[in-house]
Amino acid sequence: DVKVTQSSRYLVKRTGEKVFLECVQDMDHENMFWYRQDPGLGLRLIYFSYDVKMKEKGDIPEGYSVSREKKERFSLILESASTNQTSMYLCASSRETGTINQYFGPGTRLTVL
Amino acid sequence: AQTVTQSQPEMSVQEAETVTLSCTYDTSESNYYLFWYKQPPSRQMILVIRQEAYKQQNATENRFSVNFQKAAKSFSLKISDSQLGDTAMYFCAFMKLPGYALNFGKGTSLLVTP
Repeated sequence: DVKVTQSSRYLVKRTGEKVFLECVQDMDHENMFWYRQDPGLGLRLIYFSYDVKMKEKGDIPEGYSVSREKKERFSLILESASTNQTSMYLCASSRETGTINQYFGPGTRLTVL
Repeated sequence: AQTVTQSQPEMSVQEAETVTLSCTYDTSESNYYLFWYKQPPSRQMILVIRQEAYKQQNATENRFSVNFQKAAKSFSLKISDSQLGDTAMYFCAFMKLPGYALNFGKGTSLLVTP
């Protein structure tokens, strides 16, 4: 089974802190994604990556950056956390070819105080 | 840009009954992929069913089936013999091409009652 793990289930940070959310997949997937989930808004794409050291902006990249130094790991970085970044963050991965399914991690609920 | 609309924020159904969740989408693409994901209280996103737009036959997975109307750009999910474990948030999603990101609707919260 494909496994996507996220470093924390719950995280509490203070305004202005630098925050790292880590995502690791164990199936050698080329593509990795970060989504943000808010009630009434569904999931929105923040950033995605099709290969190591490659990244593309999604629909809501402002206030975020990402890093992909190794194929299995995709990090989401909040350079200076703000209260409006309190949300659920979901990581996903998929193959470039073949199956089109995306596999999701369990999510990180981030609270910024 | 593709948009996905789920017009039912909340729904309720009794155990063993059938319920249909609605989804419409807007795209200029001729080939694409559609999905229904389930997110129970555990928060884990689970793929329920998917449909390739080039396939005319509606997808079915056990108690879950879709009604895919390409011309109307409609993709509804039917859950038969509803079970308490079906209680979850359901998201309709669109994918332009394999490997691309998903465009999600805002979700429908389904409650199955005894």
